[in-house]
Amino acid sequence: EPEVTQTPSHQVTQMGQEVILRCVPISNHLYFYWYRQILGQKVEFLVSFYNNEISEKSEIFDDQFSVERPDGSNFTLKIRSTKLEDSAMYFCASSSSGILAKNEKLFFGSGTQLSVL
Amino acid sequence: GNSVTQMEGPVTLSEEAFLTINCTYTATGYPSLFWYVQYPGEGLQLLLKATKADDKGSNKGFEATYRKETTSFHLEKGSVQVSDSAVYFCALISGSARQLTFGSGTQLTVLP
Repeated sequence: EPEVTQTPSHQVTQMGQEVILRCVPISNHLYFYWYRQILGQKVEFLVSFYNNEISEKSEIFDDQFSVERPDGSNFTLKIRSTKLEDSAMYFCASSSSGILAKNEKLFFGSGTQLSVL
Repeated sequence: GNSVTQMEGPVTLSEEAFLTINCTYTATGYPSLFWYVQYPGEGLQLLLKATKADDKGSNKGFEATYRKETTSFHLEKGSVQVSDSAVYFCALISGSARQLTFGSGTQLTVLP
């Protein structure tokens, strides 16, 4: 089965530093997503991206966050100035049509564990 | 808004035991319901889904029935294996939304 690839698997950074989390979605997919899970809490939606722009974002996704598809294959999440509370597992996902309710399937990566010290 | 409440873990069972992981939801309209599984070191994978009331999703011996009257989607398996050890997430999507709403996940460990 095709895979979404995320790198790195673990990232440690100092508070206030910028981090970029990288994802390679499945090659023919058009919709891209970031979710995160703070330890012991729910997996939360951050942002969806289609046609080179953000299509939806949650209230978590404030000005410190940005997403980009810098080339035809990568999809990145940037946190400009990390805070302690940004420590979480970040999951990238992709889908081909974005219509998730019925027959569409969302493919997730294995996540990047971000630790902010 | 939408929310999913999932049985807290961790859950530890012996091989061949019966598994139930409870999941209840709150949603506007008529959501589609999902169970995702994350095996160690891997991404979240769709395990099963149900898109309307009374539907039963099933896969790999796991089942869950969409119960609108109790707003529940409990995951069951009659005889678990060591290879079922993973984290299980209940989730929903409602209407035309393009985002999943997840529960907090339940860690299952099956001992030989």
